[in-house]
Amino acid sequence: ETGVTQSPTHLIKTRGQQVTLRCSSQSGHNTVSWYQQALGQGPQFIFQYYREEENGRGNFPPRFSGLQFPNYSSELNVNALELDDSALYLCASSLDVNSGANVLTFGAGSRLTVL
Amino acid sequence: EDQVTQSPEALRLQEGESSSLNCSYTVSGLRGLFWYRQDPGKGPEFLFTLYSAGEEKEKERLKATLTKKESFLHITAPKPEDSATYLCAVQKSSASKIIFGSGTRLSIRP
Repeated sequence: ETGVTQSPTHLIKTRGQQVTLRCSSQSGHNTVSWYQQALGQGPQFIFQYYREEENGRGNFPPRFSGLQFPNYSSELNVNALELDDSALYLCASSLDVNSGANVLTFGAGSRLTVL
Repeated sequence: EDQVTQSPEALRLQEGESSSLNCSYTVSGLRGLFWYRQDPGKGPEFLFTLYSAGEEKEKERLKATLTKKESFLHITAPKPEDSATYLCAVQKSSASKIIFGSGTRLSIRP
């Protein structure tokens, strides 16, 4: 059973640029959630995808967008990067969103630095 | 507003010194409360799910309990390898998103 894999592990961008982060979900999971974790803080919910549709969104601006593909992998896109976007971006997969309390399986994250 | 508050922010213990971490939450209609462990540079790792007040779960030196307004993670006779950040999270019955607290950084000295 493969876990959640994320790429890239680290990247550096400048203000105004765009970034795409990728995530492969755990085998058997059809739901993917994205979180932003600033240094010393807990993960903040960005959005969730279930069967290729957005299924809930946190308090993030529209320049944060995502996709889920038929194989349940997912992308997070961030446009017009700002300095405050520097953080660890975590992808988590889970079983069917309607199957009760959703235990999340996290990847190791993508560390984004915006200069 | 739905909120999860963890205390203390940081805790330093001597090896073998038992203690408890607190997670208080305000959410209407709890679907589940979760505890995760996060090591530096890694994603959170699932520990427990609790569903209703009075429920308890144990794993090695860790025991999680739940009341209507808070949860405790009890650590008995901890070892240095228990050093990590412990995160509490809740999920409402009517929502998909899971809300995390800011965590407790636990350090166990040999």
